[in-house]
Formats: sequence, structure tokens, C-alpha cells
Amino acid sequence: EAQVTQNPRYLITVTGKKLTVTCSQNMNHEYMSWYRQDPGLGLRQIYYSMNVEVTDKGDVPEGYKVSRKEKRNFPLILESPSPNQTSLYFCASSRLAGDETQYFGPGTRLLVL
Amino acid sequence: AQTVTQSQPEMSVQEAETVTLSCTYDTSESDYYLFWYKQPPSRQMILVIRQEAYKQQNATENRFSVNFQKAAKSFSLKISDSQLGDAAMYFCAYRLTNFGNEKLTFGTGTRLTIIP
Repeated sequence: EAQVTQNPRYLITVTGKKLTVTCSQNMNHEYMSWYRQDPGLGLRQIYYSMNVEVTDKGDVPEGYKVSRKEKRNFPLILESPSPNQTSLYFCASSRLAGDETQYFGPGTRLLVL
Repeated sequence: AQTVTQSQPEMSVQEAETVTLSCTYDTSESDYYLFWYKQPPSRQMILVIRQEAYKQQNATENRFSVNFQKAAKSFSLKISDSQLGDAAMYFCAYRLTNFGNEKLTFGTGTRLTIIP
């Protein structure tokens, strides 16, 4: 089954404790992206990647890192989480063909205390 | 920068009736895509319908259809014969067609309630 998976689905952590949210897709997609969703703001792009070893900032990259060492994986790293990073995070992927629909993962709900 | 505006934070409709959700966007580009995504309580993002800007014909998917007015930069979603399973947050989104960052720009969402 074609899908985007994220882990963990729920996470409670404390300020400053490094964490990684994994994202994996099995569709051989070149393009992957991270979004965060906050009430009243919709979804906003954090980082994206157009292929292995090619990543770039989205609209709200501060406090986040990403890496793309393999085509299928695109982890989101919070090296020193802060309470303002409490949010719902989505990973998405698509073929890089200009007209492709993005497939979203199930979301990761993060609470930073 | 492109922006997407959904001016209706909440809407409600009687089951089996028709409801229209509004969306306007701002762009200086001529080629782009527009989408409606549904987010049920499970929080999954589900694509409902998409429209290519170069197509004059409005997209339709079963009970879902859009009214795309390119000159007015308007992209409304009509849900016919509303069902209880349609209750969700609906997001309008925009994306350029150029080969590059496939970023979706989202509106702030409309929460749709279905009244039995």
C-alpha cells in the first residue's frame, strides 16, 4: 500500500531535549516536505527536499533541521525544542513532476513542556 | 507572496442539504493548482478535489464540485447531499505549477458541522 508514515504519532517532551520525528514514504517520491499546523494559521511549510542531499527552508524553518540521506526518509530534527514548537506536524511527499498530488502522513502531535 | 483566505471559520449544514465553502487567493502567477483538503477528527489530510488554473471547466468529484473564478481569484467548494461523514475541517490550498518547491500554501480552514 502506497503511504507516508510518521513516528511517533504522539510525543510529550520537555524544553531542550533533542528529538527526531521520522518520515518515510514507499512511493519512490523525489519531493518531501514538512508542515506544521497551528490553530488559526493553517499548515505552514517548515522544510522541503527535492531529492537526496537536496534540502531547503520553507516558511518557518527556525528551530528545525532536516536531512535527506535516503530517498524514502526525511526526518525532522528539533535539537532544542521550545514550547512554541508545540504543534501538529505533517510530512508529505510527491513525485517531482509539476502536476502531482502530495500525499500526507498521518501527523505527529508534539507537546513541549 | 501567495496568500489563501478562507473567511468562514465555521459552517453548518443540515444533512442531505448543500453547502458552499469559500476560498479566495492572491497570486500574480497564471499557472497554478488549487486544492481542497479535508481533515476529519483523525487529523489525516485527505485530498478532496483539485483544479488546474489553465482549465476553464470546474472540477467535480462525486458530491464535491468547485466554482473556479480565475479573474476573481475565487475557488469555492460545493458539497451536495451532505452526509455525517463530511463533518471535518476543510482547507483550501494553492500551489504553483513550476518545477521546484511543490509547497502548498494553505488557508486557515473552515470547520464544517453536519446537523442530523
